[in-house]
Amino acid sequence: DTAVSQTPKYLVTQMGNDKSIKCEQNLGHDTMYWYKQDSKKFLKIMFSYNNKELIINETVPNRFSPKSPDKAHLNLHINSLELGDSAVYFCASGGGNYGYTFGSGTRLTVV
Amino acid sequence: KQEVTQIPAALSVPEGENLVLNCSFTDSAIYNLQWFRQDPGKGLTSLLLIQSSQREQTSGRLNASLDKSSGRSTLYIAASQPGDSATYLCASYSGGGADGLTFGKGTHLIIQP
Repeated sequence: DTAVSQTPKYLVTQMGNDKSIKCEQNLGHDTMYWYKQDSKKFLKIMFSYNNKELIINETVPNRFSPKSPDKAHLNLHINSLELGDSAVYFCASGGGNYGYTFGSGTRLTVV
Repeated sequence: KQEVTQIPAALSVPEGENLVLNCSFTDSAIYNLQWFRQDPGKGLTSLLLIQSSQREQTSGRLNASLDKSSGRSTLYIAASQPGDSATYLCASYSGGGADGLTFGKGTHLIIQP
């Protein structure tokens, strides 16, 4: 009964490829997020999204795009992968007074 | 722009000790503050959530305090155990928009058996 689940857990791909990471939450939250944890373990928000509004952190390259087929899903699509995209990507849901619930992360390695 | 700092960056103590992890934030206009635990190669597990109107929250051997006016929060761990070894992250929430949670860089805690 995982609250926020991400797939795949590990992703190894070559530069220039396009890949997607899937995220699903069963908590009934209205808002979902993508965070990036870099090699120094620092977590930073990439996107927040609810059924009304997508907010993008201005530092995120436009090669990254969130796609939400419904309220319970927020997938992350990455075009033309670069070496610097290697990181751990976390999906989360909730926010506000309810706090955040995070998924277990997807470790992306670009070779 | 909110900045969150955690001190110390790393801490190693013998089993059984009580310990305090510190978190400070620059903008006191927060809605809440959340403490997480991250085990190596794993996701984030929420430990405690303190709303801006609260002074502290407790869960088992964990106690988190919040002093908004001074921009500080502490996580107190009583009677530490080797299973407490992990990285502890604090994160402040200041409202909607692109900021989301602002994380500190974490305290890497090792409890020696």
